Amino acid sequence: DIQMTQSPSSLSASVGDRVTITCQASQDISNYLNWYQQKPGKAPKLLIYDASNLETGVPSRFSGSGSGTDFTFTISSLQPEDIATYYCQQYDNLPIFTFGPGTKVDIK
Amino acid sequence: QVTLRESGPALVKPTQTLTLTCTFSGFSLSTSGMCVSWIRQPPGKALEWLALIDWDDDKYYSTSLKTRLTISKDTSKNQVVLTMTNMDPVDTATYYCERNKGGGFDYWGQGTLVTVSS
Repeated sequence: DIQMTQSPSSLSASVGDRVTITCQASQDISNYLNWYQQKPGKAPKLLIYDASNLETGVPSRFSGSGSGTDFTFTISSLQPEDIATYYCQQYDNLPIFTFGPGTKVDIK
Repeated sequence: QVTLRESGPALVKPTQTLTLTCTFSGFSLSTSGMCVSWIRQPPGKALEWLALIDWDDDKYYSTSLKTRLTISKDTSKNQVVLTMTNMDPVDTATYYCERNKGGGFDYWGQGTLVTVSS
């Protein structure tokens, strides 16, 4: 099975900071990667699909990039409402889906 | 408007079988390309995909759990049912159902917490 890693596991940043999370796949997954945001006590929300496409209604401060094994998720200007855990998820070997371990983001 | 809602027992005993129902609206599981999955999340831990059923009644399971899982659908009732046998305390988790969009999940239920304890 394809394994996903994320770094860092947690981070603390100030409002307005640029935040970057990386996700690495154990093998080439092309651009078959999504990013989710999960706020405490809530279900995850799809933010980015196919590595770099913004889901409808998601603020443009969120973005994704990468292909192959290395991917990046960026919040261009961190807002208080962005406090959450962020997960990457691969779907290269459909219909098996694998999530990364998550990155917890909070405000400094 | 797409909605999904999970229902089932909040507490099960070890070795028992868990049965969860996902009742959805706003889409039809008889529409070509439509799929529904189950995902779980132990307290404080990451998400784990469990199973998927598609419009054609094809079923797919997590490699590590496939011997314990069964997924089925009742299209007329807009429901998807997941059963998991031989429950263990490590199966304590919030169980979510969601609609598949391409390779991801675009609509999620609120989740239901299942605790496994004697």
